Amino acid sequence: DIVLTQSPGTLSLSPGERATLSCRASQAVDSKYVAWYQQKRGQSPRLLIYGASNRPTGIPDRFSGSASGSVFTLTISRLEPEDFAMYYCQQFDRVLTFGGGTKVEIK
Amino acid sequence: QVQLQESGPGLVKPSETLSLTCTVSGGSVSSASHYWNWVRQPLGKGLEWIGYVYYLGASNYNSSLSSRVTISVDTSKNQFSLRLTSVTAADTALYFCARGPTIFGPIYGFDIWGQGTLVSVSA
Repeated sequence: DIVLTQSPGTLSLSPGERATLSCRASQAVDSKYVAWYQQKRGQSPRLLIYGASNRPTGIPDRFSGSASGSVFTLTISRLEPEDFAMYYCQQFDRVLTFGGGTKVEIK
Repeated sequence: QVQLQESGPGLVKPSETLSLTCTVSGGSVSSASHYWNWVRQPLGKGLEWIGYVYYLGASNYNSSLSSRVTISVDTSKNQFSLRLTSVTAADTALYFCARGPTIFGPIYGFDIWGQGTLVSVSA
């Protein structure tokens, strides 16, 4: 199975700062099969990005995704208070797997 | 809009079978464009995909669970269900149902999730 390794495990930042989250795949993954989710405490995950760089309707444009080889990146341009949460990447290319998650916490 | 709601026992004894149902409202489980998934999350840990079912009955499972998992669909009730046999304490988790794409996409992501239901395995 494809293993997705997310880094860092925890990101400590202040509101207004830029967050850069990484997801590295153990094998080549077609970027159209990569998604990102946000999960707040006590809530279900919410789809933020699909196809590595596409935002579903209603997702703010401060969230963006990109891909370079087997490394996928989620960027939050300016952190809002509601953005402090867990973030997971996911791939559908072969057997579906999730990354282990990155916690974005208030510094 | 489409909503998903999990239901089932919150407590299961070791070695018994965990059974959960996800009810689809505001849409149809008979959608040709979607797979219907189960995902679980041990408290304080990450997400684990369990498997999916298609409205025609085809299914696919995480290989780590496939010997114990069955996911089925009931189009007449607009529901799909999870059965996990021979449970142990390691199966204690928050269980989510989620709508996902077929291999044809176009949105390769789980766009609709249920609120989740906590299942504890304990004697």
